[in-house]
Amino acid sequence: GEDVEQSLFLSVREGDSSVINCTYTDSSSTYLYWYKQEPGAGLQLLTYIFSNMDMKQDQRLTVLLNKKDKHLSLRIADTQTGDSAIYFCAERSGGYQKVTFGIGTKLQVIP
Amino acid sequence: EAGVTQFPSHSVIEKGQTVTLRCDPISGHDNLYWYRRVMGKEIKFLLHFVKESKQDESGMPNNRFLAERTGGTYSTLKVQPAELEDSGVYFCASSRLTGANTEAFFGQGTRLTVV
Repeated sequence: GEDVEQSLFLSVREGDSSVINCTYTDSSSTYLYWYKQEPGAGLQLLTYIFSNMDMKQDQRLTVLLNKKDKHLSLRIADTQTGDSAIYFCAERSGGYQKVTFGIGTKLQVIP
Repeated sequence: EAGVTQFPSHSVIEKGQTVTLRCDPISGHDNLYWYRRVMGKEIKFLLHFVKESKQDESGMPNNRFLAERTGGTYSTLKVQPAELEDSGVYFCASSRLTGANTEAFFGQGTRLTVV
């Protein structure tokens, strides 16, 4: 079945860049997502990328996709303390609504 | 526009008791999903409704879990009888039926603790 893997924890200093990595196994993945969960809050869709794209940039966020290696990354430039949260990588195959999530990477931003 | 709302936000029950979680999707969203995150593990898909019909319930753990969506509006997820391993955060999400990439909006989750 589908599997999404990501590291559990990342610590960075405020102002540095953060890079959260993710690998997935489903070669038919069509949509790849990054969700953010702040303490006590629900899941917020941060950004997504179609599988036919290599890169997507949205303000401080850059998503890189290496489809050959099934590797997805999220780069946050100029990381702020407000970026501290759990970041979930997720994938979905086209036409099928079920989303498969990773375990979540807890990002800690040190002031 | 109101987002996806879930009730209660927290629930603590004893093993063997029954608990019912409720999800109110965004108005007009025909797709409704339930997910669960057990402590320290992935967020796992439970089931998917399209309107009032169960489209996919392959993620439901066992027959102690019953999901309904009468009338195609809000949904309930009942756990009866609850076991210790049912503890976790239950998320509900909803999305529109049509569109190339219909974003799923998530609720804040219900934290269930079975003691």
